[in-house]
Amino acid sequence: AQTVTQSQPEMSVQEAETVTLSCTYDTSESNYYLFWYKQPPSRQMILVIRQEAYKQQNATENRFSVNFQKAAKSFSLKISDSQLGDTAMYFCAFMKPSFGGSNYKLTFGKGTLLTVNP
Amino acid sequence: GAGVSQSPRYKVAKRGQDVALRCDPISGHVSLFWYQQALGQGPEFLTYFQNEAQLDKSGLPSDRFFAERPEGSVSTLKIQRTQQEDSAVYLCASSLTGYGYTFGSGTRLTVV
Repeated sequence: AQTVTQSQPEMSVQEAETVTLSCTYDTSESNYYLFWYKQPPSRQMILVIRQEAYKQQNATENRFSVNFQKAAKSFSLKISDSQLGDTAMYFCAFMKPSFGGSNYKLTFGKGTLLTVNP
Repeated sequence: GAGVSQSPRYKVAKRGQDVALRCDPISGHVSLFWYQQALGQGPEFLTYFQNEAQLDKSGLPSDRFFAERPEGSVSTLKIQRTQQEDSAVYLCASSLTGYGYTFGSGTRLTVV
């Protein structure tokens, strides 16, 4: 079974600064997907960024980028130029694609509460 | 609809009561998932539908939990004889294909 560990229950950052959230995972699979989701107080999970394990290049989405270290099973999220609207819970998640490539279930970490201070 | 709709948004149930939580996925989305999120935790998988077929129910914590999606669109998660440990946010997500989940805003269930 896969496990996802987020070792930072809470973090804070000043507006406009950069912050990095950590995530490690454990799996025996070679092909999988990794995700970072944001959950604001509205409770809806919002996809921040996705990484396919077979891709060596780190994914980037505007101010969000990841550092994917497959051998170390590490998947950290860097948020640049932090904004007040980035304040939320952030969850790291793992997905093993089911046979045939159809989507399947996510395994989440316990989350990191990020607070962006003005 | 434009997004995944869940109702009710909040539900308070007395211990022992039965509850039904509704999920209305994005039109045309084949896959539908239910997750349970306890306070301060990450969501945990409950069950998965592909159209009307329930392909995986390995995450349902007990036989008091039952999910259905009879026509391959709207899904209902039913919890019988609710207990305090059932208190959580129940999230529904749908997907057309691949890993492109869209989550709803969840139902917060409080059992008193």
